[in-house]
Amino acid sequence: GQNIDQPTEMTATEGAIVQINCTYQTSGFNGLFWYQQHAGEAPTFLSYNVLDGLEEKGRFSSFLSRSKGYSYLLLKELQMKDSASYLCAVMDSNYQLIWGAGTKLIIKP
Amino acid sequence: IAGITQAPTSQILAAGRRMTLRCTQDMRHNAMYWYRQDLGLGLRLIHYSNTAGTTGKGEVPDGYSVSRANTDDFPLTLASAVPSQTSVYFCASSPTGGTGELFFGEGSRLTVL
Repeated sequence: GQNIDQPTEMTATEGAIVQINCTYQTSGFNGLFWYQQHAGEAPTFLSYNVLDGLEEKGRFSSFLSRSKGYSYLLLKELQMKDSASYLCAVMDSNYQLIWGAGTKLIIKP
Repeated sequence: IAGITQAPTSQILAAGRRMTLRCTQDMRHNAMYWYRQDLGLGLRLIHYSNTAGTTGKGEVPDGYSVSRANTDDFPLTLASAVPSQTSVYFCASSPTGGTGELFFGEGSRLTVL
């Protein structure tokens, strides 16, 4: 079966750096996506990786290793507004998105 | 304001009743999707449409139906609601099918008693 694993919850301190990991086993691979979802709100797109390596976008970076079935989202200079759930999703060989359950990130002052 | 509008925002429904969740987008996106989100689970695709006039089944289509009469609207119907359909439902769209950058509506929280 297809599976996306990410930690259920993480805690970090304002101003610090946090890395949220995602491992996947899917039927084929056509890209990995990260979304942010604040409590009670809609998911919003953060990043996309299809080739191995690091994609940087401001305070957020996303890394992919296709051979290891592994990605991480790196958040730098954490702010209180970064408290949210972060969803990892993989597009499989049928171009369907397979979603992880999300990682709830709690930022403490 | 461009985007996706869902209605209702929240609804409590008796089991056995029929319910339609509405979804409208004004971005002229070809592809639209319906997901449900349950605690501890990832988003699960119910139905999708890659273009007006066509629809397809996702991972959990049973008990749900959709139609896509035009580009903008993609309603989701529960013919006879059951308690297991209690969930938060998200409508989403993308410029074309087969892309992972989706634009989501604000969600519809449905409780079936």
